[in-house]
Amino acid sequence: GAVVSQHPSRVICKSGTSVKIECRSLDFQATTMFWYRQFPKKSLMLMATSNEGSKATYEQGVEKDKFLINHASLTLSTLTVTSAHPEDSSFYICSARDRGLKPQHFGDGTRLSIL
Amino acid sequence: AQSVTQLGSHVSVSEGALVLLRCNYSSSVPPYLFWYVQYPNQGLQLLLKYTSAATLVKGINGFEAEFKKSETSFHLTKPSAHMSDAAEYFCAVSESFGNEKLTFGTGTRLTIIP
Repeated sequence: GAVVSQHPSRVICKSGTSVKIECRSLDFQATTMFWYRQFPKKSLMLMATSNEGSKATYEQGVEKDKFLINHASLTLSTLTVTSAHPEDSSFYICSARDRGLKPQHFGDGTRLSIL
Repeated sequence: AQSVTQLGSHVSVSEGALVLLRCNYSSSVPPYLFWYVQYPNQGLQLLLKYTSAATLVKGINGFEAEFKKSETSFHLTKPSAHMSDAAEYFCAVSESFGNEKLTFGTGTRLTIIP
């Protein structure tokens, strides 16, 4: 079945640093990728939708300059949390969708902890 | 606009008992509905989906869900709970299959009592 790999699975870093999270589709071409944020004991909140080769579409309230999304190829999207602060600590999950009428496939998430 | 309400943030059932997780939706167009399962520190795995074909949908791991338009519901059931079913379950809705935006419910944590 469709596999989405997300890396790293866990990252701990100091406040002020930037962190890059990668999301790869391993056996299909992901024309669209999605980035979600999940707070403890909460649901997933869509942050942005990215289509290969074009700029990401951010949801209301998500800072574009804070959360940089790049979708340069059909198998890779990256989320960079710039100048991270403790309040950015969360579980970030990506998903990817193939061409046509296919459901989203989710990565295993990245737990980001900012000290 | 679309939304999902999951009644009961926590559900506990005994091993072997019926599992019933409730989901009600709101959508301005005929909805596409999904149930996902999330194990600790992992992403989401698709259990089943409703795409306007049969109203009773069978998924993986013995789960099924029934779409009831009159009740705007899409409850998830499993006849006999297994210890491995303990996880967080999310109902989600979108306005087209394979579409862009999924709107998730707040999730239901299922605990299985030995």
